[in-house]
Amino acid sequence: AQKITQTQPGMFVQEKEAVTLDCTYDTSDPSYGLFWYKQPSSGEMIFLIYQGSYDQQNATEGRYSLNFQKARKSANLVISASQLGDSAMYFCAMSSPSYNTDKLIFGTGTRLQVFP
Amino acid sequence: KAGVTQTPRYLIKTRGQQVTLSCSPISGHRSVSWYQQTPGQGLQFLFEYFSETQRNKGNFPGRFSGRQFSNSRSEMNVSTLELGDSALYLCASSSVGPNTGELFFGEGSRLTVL
Repeated sequence: AQKITQTQPGMFVQEKEAVTLDCTYDTSDPSYGLFWYKQPSSGEMIFLIYQGSYDQQNATEGRYSLNFQKARKSANLVISASQLGDSAMYFCAMSSPSYNTDKLIFGTGTRLQVFP
Repeated sequence: KAGVTQTPRYLIKTRGQQVTLSCSPISGHRSVSWYQQTPGQGLQFLFEYFSETQRNKGNFPGRFSGRQFSNSRSEMNVSTLELGDSALYLCASSSVGPNTGELFFGEGSRLTVL
């Protein structure tokens, strides 16, 4: 069965520092996608970054990068130069074409708090 | 380009009532999926519609239903509300599927059942 594991319930980071949020996944499908979303207190799920299982290079989007280690089944999110506005819940999620659907499996999330 | 729009944003109902939530996807997106988020269960997949057909369904009772219209807008309905249905209901849309990385969420509809 597919599963996403986020082992860090909460993380603290000082402004302007980098932080890594951990995500491991389990799937038997050779083709899958990995997502990271940010959810501020308002509730909206904000798309941050996507990595396809066949992508050769790690995905990057501005200050966000995804450290994709396929053999270890990990897809950690790295946020560089943290900002106070980065304080939010962060969710890792996985999709799989075996479902032929847009169904995502989500992890339990990591609450990131950025302090001055 | 407008994002995913969900209405209403907040609503309060009492047990036994029913509720209908609406989702307008990003223009051009044909797939709409729904998720329930609660503190206890986290984010759980409800169902997905593509071109007016339900393509997949999560493990929820029959009180939860949905539909999609020809313009890709979607509605979900919960009948005979229970206290445990209190949650944030999130809608997401995509064009050709999640493995292109195109899966965007709305701001959610926060339902409180009293």
